[in-house]
Amino acid sequence: LAKTTQPISMDSYEGQEVNITCSHNNIATNDYITWYQQFPSQGPRFIIQGYKTKVTNEVASLFIPADRKSSTLSLPRVSLSDTAVYYCLVGAGNTGKLIFGQGTTLQVKP
Amino acid sequence: SQTIHQWPATLVQPVGSPLSLECTVEGTSNPNLYWYRQAAGRGLQLLFYSVGIGQISSEVPQNLSASRPQDRQFILSSKKLLLSDSGFYLCAWSPTTGSNQPQHFGDGTRLSIL
Repeated sequence: LAKTTQPISMDSYEGQEVNITCSHNNIATNDYITWYQQFPSQGPRFIIQGYKTKVTNEVASLFIPADRKSSTLSLPRVSLSDTAVYYCLVGAGNTGKLIFGQGTTLQVKP
Repeated sequence: SQTIHQWPATLVQPVGSPLSLECTVEGTSNPNLYWYRQAAGRGLQLLFYSVGIGQISSEVPQNLSASRPQDRQFILSSKKLLLSDSGFYLCAWSPTTGSNQPQHFGDGTRLSIL
């Protein structure tokens, strides 16, 4: 299972775009990249998933370069309610097992 | 649509007492099921996963066990709780195994051991 590295914490202000980058140098050919969001005392919530290039949904965009060794989660115009921990994960293989790191704690300030 | 339920939301238990946490999934068949534990300020640690009824895989040696008596029911148990069993326990499901199948989590159980 590929290991991921992401910043421990980030600060932003309301209305700004936030980009969180995740490194996954050992990503396997068939691995997808998935991002989760977690609020205190809640389970993680699926945000977005991608394999290559760019993926966009109603809450975020995911940018993946051609070598797939990193990915960037982009949150447009964050609000206070986007304050949370964001986890980047790659690969689940045949078992579906996920390895969660410490994630990135995003603090959005007014 | 699919939903996942965990209960109780919070639990306070004395050391040495038994434990039973239940997780059920609705709206899908033959899901993969997972139990995670999260220590304060840390990421999630996978404890058990199941790809079918009666099929349980353990990820770490511990004081806990898991069972899957029905297709959409996953139970986490202990005969005698330890102080180190305190934490936030999360159940999750996914449609099938594979990297492109996101897991969907319940709201968790906050377990405190006294």
